[in-house]
Amino acid sequence: DAGVIQSPRHEVTEMGQEVTLRCKLISGHNSLFWYRQTMMRGLELLIYFNNNVPIDDSGMPEDRFSAKMPNASFSTLKIQPSEPRDSAVYFCASLGSGANVLTFGAGSRLTVL
Amino acid sequence: GENVEQHPSTLSVQEGDSAVIKCTYSDSASNYFPWYKQELGKGPQLIIDIRSNVGEKKDQRIAVTLNKTAKHFSLHITETQPEDSAVYFCAAEGGSTLGRLYFGRGTQLTVWP
Repeated sequence: DAGVIQSPRHEVTEMGQEVTLRCKLISGHNSLFWYRQTMMRGLELLIYFNNNVPIDDSGMPEDRFSAKMPNASFSTLKIQPSEPRDSAVYFCASLGSGANVLTFGAGSRLTVL
Repeated sequence: GENVEQHPSTLSVQEGDSAVIKCTYSDSASNYFPWYKQELGKGPQLIIDIRSNVGEKKDQRIAVTLNKTAKHFSLHITETQPEDSAVYFCAAEGGSTLGRLYFGRGTQLTVWP
């Protein structure tokens, strides 16, 4: 099993540009979580999906952020327009049905200049 | 929601010594407490977890204890090695959603050879 796969691993962009982060779940997992990690705020849950349905998006900072799960194995997190304060490492994590163990991807490091 | 506090934020020990990291949580309904290790440039990885029906769990040099009455749990690493150097996160599973973890702010552990 390749684990949770995230892309890109690193992205540098300019303020105002659109950013799309991608995540592929572990095969057979049905829950997906997007986290953001910063020095100031630690690991923050942005949104999570269960069986492709968004369950709680209360952690999404503002309307510039959106997340989708077009199928059972793939998700995107989009920031439009991006701002310097969005600079962080974004992680997705997946969970199998009936299990507690949350498995994280390697993260996408975003820098907005 | 759940609130998880973690101490200390940094910890330096000599190789071979023990390290202890402590966490408290606020929601008495929480019943699953994982610990994650994050190495530089990688995503958090589960190293040990404990459920509320036990008070202690051990896996080689790592042990976790849980006091549900006091709402605190601890990670103990014995015979530390330089490769134990990393950031360690405690978490509590809050609410009724499987996998919905609330994380502590992390402890940077440095083991000096």
